Amino acid sequence: DVKVTQSSRYLVKRTGEKVFLECVQDMDHENMFWYRQDPGLGLRLIYFSYDVKMKEKGDIPEGYSVSREKKERFSLILESASTNQTSMYLCASRIPSGRRADTQYFGPGTRLTVL
Amino acid sequence: GQNIDQPTEMTATEGAIVQINCTYQTSGFNGLFWYQQHAGEAPTFLSYNVLDGLEEKGRFSSFLSRSKGYSYLLLKELQMKDSASYLCAVMDYKLSFGAGTTVTVRA
Repeated sequence: DVKVTQSSRYLVKRTGEKVFLECVQDMDHENMFWYRQDPGLGLRLIYFSYDVKMKEKGDIPEGYSVSREKKERFSLILESASTNQTSMYLCASRIPSGRRADTQYFGPGTRLTVL
Repeated sequence: GQNIDQPTEMTATEGAIVQINCTYQTSGFNGLFWYQQHAGEAPTFLSYNVLDGLEEKGRFSSFLSRSKGYSYLLLKELQMKDSASYLCAVMDYKLSFGAGTTVTVRA
């Protein structure tokens, strides 16, 4: 069964803290993604990774960085958390396009609150 | 850039049919996806269209017209459990999502 897990379901941090969100997938997928989801705005892509050690900016990368040292793990880092980064963060993975199984599988999400 | 539009909210009665429209303008196109998302949960895959026409999967069907930049998701025989947000997403080299349509099913 497909599985994408995220380290926390709920997280509360203070302004200025460094925050790590971890995502792990067990499907041997090359591609992994980090989104944030806000009411009325939908899912917006922060960063993605085609493969280990690779990373690409998405639509809203400012204030974030990522790390992909192993194929199964993709980390999102908030270097200095701010209140406008309060959001639901969703990780996803997929097999690269070219196959029918282009479907992205999502993790359960991490609801981050920055005070 | 990507521009994906879908209605914000829809309400329907149990047993009825609802059609959720999605229009898109994207720089590339490698398929259109529909996802279902219940409150507080992750999106789950519903359907995928890459060629024009209708794809049917049980009570759910999805239609695509590439020339019109248009898709719809049809939900038939609505059940209370179908109350959720439905996300339209277009793939070029990455998935871009619309803001989602919240469907409320009433008894």
